[in-house]
Amino acid sequence: GESVGLHLPTLSVQEGDNSIINCAYSNSASDYFIWYKQESGKGPQFIIDIRSNMDKRQGQRVTVLLNKTVKHLSLQIAATQPGDSAVYFCADNARGNKLVFGAGTILRVKS
Amino acid sequence: NAGVMQNPRHLVRRRGQEARLRCSPMKGHSHVYWYRQLPEEGLKFMVYLQKENIIDESGMPKERFSAEFPKEGPSILRIQQVVRGDSAAYFCASSLNSDQPQHFGDGTRLSIL
Repeated sequence: GESVGLHLPTLSVQEGDNSIINCAYSNSASDYFIWYKQESGKGPQFIIDIRSNMDKRQGQRVTVLLNKTVKHLSLQIAATQPGDSAVYFCADNARGNKLVFGAGTILRVKS
Repeated sequence: NAGVMQNPRHLVRRRGQEARLRCSPMKGHSHVYWYRQLPEEGLKFMVYLQKENIIDESGMPKERFSAEFPKEGPSILRIQQVVRGDSAAYFCASSLNSDQPQHFGDGTRLSIL
């Protein structure tokens, strides 16, 4: 069945290092992917998105890579800061307008 | 700079009561989505609405749950005769159109006593 899942539930990084959060999806029909950041007590905050006609997209300090061959995408955060500590979700549109969310990865930044 | 506004932020109900959750989309957005999140889980889609129309309610339980997005006013998610299992965070998102990013509110945390 279709699913979006994450390889690592918790990621701890040192402040200033780069972070890489991974996500796998199973539905080949997915053509739109989004990364969200969720802080405690808040709603998911849009970070960056990518469509299936692209392999890479860059934002401010963030890069999303999409590998359609192995159905994998990753979120790279450069120079990770304490404010980046949160739960990160990938989501895809395998079901049309309905986003399918992964379980989430906790990012902890150590000062 | 109004994003998606949800109220109330916290709602406590006793079993058997009704819960009404409100969502005002971002200005100019006519597509609204409701999701539910249990602790330490991802969000699960419930329903997708456009003004006055339910487009997809495949994620919403057939009984006790309903949603609307009237021509004027916020979108409402209504849960009748609440049970303990309805305790969760309910998030609303809106988008400019169906292929644009969905932007989320900060949710309503529903607790059932």
